[in-house]
Amino acid sequence: GQQLNQSPQSMFIQEGEDVSMNCTSSSIFNTWLWYKQEPGEGPVLLIALYKAGELTSNGRLTAQFGITRKDSFLNISASIPSDVGIYFCAGQLYGQNFVFGPGTRLSVLP
Amino acid sequence: DAGVIQSPRHEVTEMGQEVTLRCKPISGHDYLFWYRQTMMRGLELLIYFNNNVPIDDSGMPEDRFSAKMPNASFSTLKIQPSEPRDSAVYFCASSRLGDGELFFGEGSRLTVL
Repeated sequence: GQQLNQSPQSMFIQEGEDVSMNCTSSSIFNTWLWYKQEPGEGPVLLIALYKAGELTSNGRLTAQFGITRKDSFLNISASIPSDVGIYFCAGQLYGQNFVFGPGTRLSVLP
Repeated sequence: DAGVIQSPRHEVTEMGQEVTLRCKPISGHDYLFWYRQTMMRGLELLIYFNNNVPIDDSGMPEDRFSAKMPNASFSTLKIQPSEPRDSAVYFCASSRLGDGELFFGEGSRLTVL
């Protein structure tokens, strides 16, 4: 079946630093989604990408839909303590199931 | 707009008891998904519906699990009988056809003793 890989699995950074994480797949997708999950809550949608090569920003977050349609990247600039959480990527082929990655756990040190 | 609404938020039950989890998707969304999340296995798709019809239930662990969607605004996930290994957070999510954005509820945390 389809699988997504996310790297890194976890990261510890200093407040103010920039963060980069990525998601790769052996299959192509039409849509890439990035989520953040905090303890005791459901995943919250951060950014949705629909077109190969697309670069989309949401505040300090920027995500890109890879040209090959098999990968996506999420960057967070100038990290702050409330960025702490688990970041999930998800890919979808139109009308089909969403496939989720295992997540990247982000810790921000003050 | 109200998001995906799940109930109960927390459920503690004893092995062998029946558990029913409920979900109200976002109005106008055609797809409804049930996921289970554990530390070991992450987010696993259990079943999803399109226009109230089950499309893929291959993720349902076994016959003890069943899901229904009697109308566009309500779905249930039932576990009977429950076992300790069913302890997890169960999420419901919904999306609109062609939109590609999937929205999650806050989850139902199930503990089976």
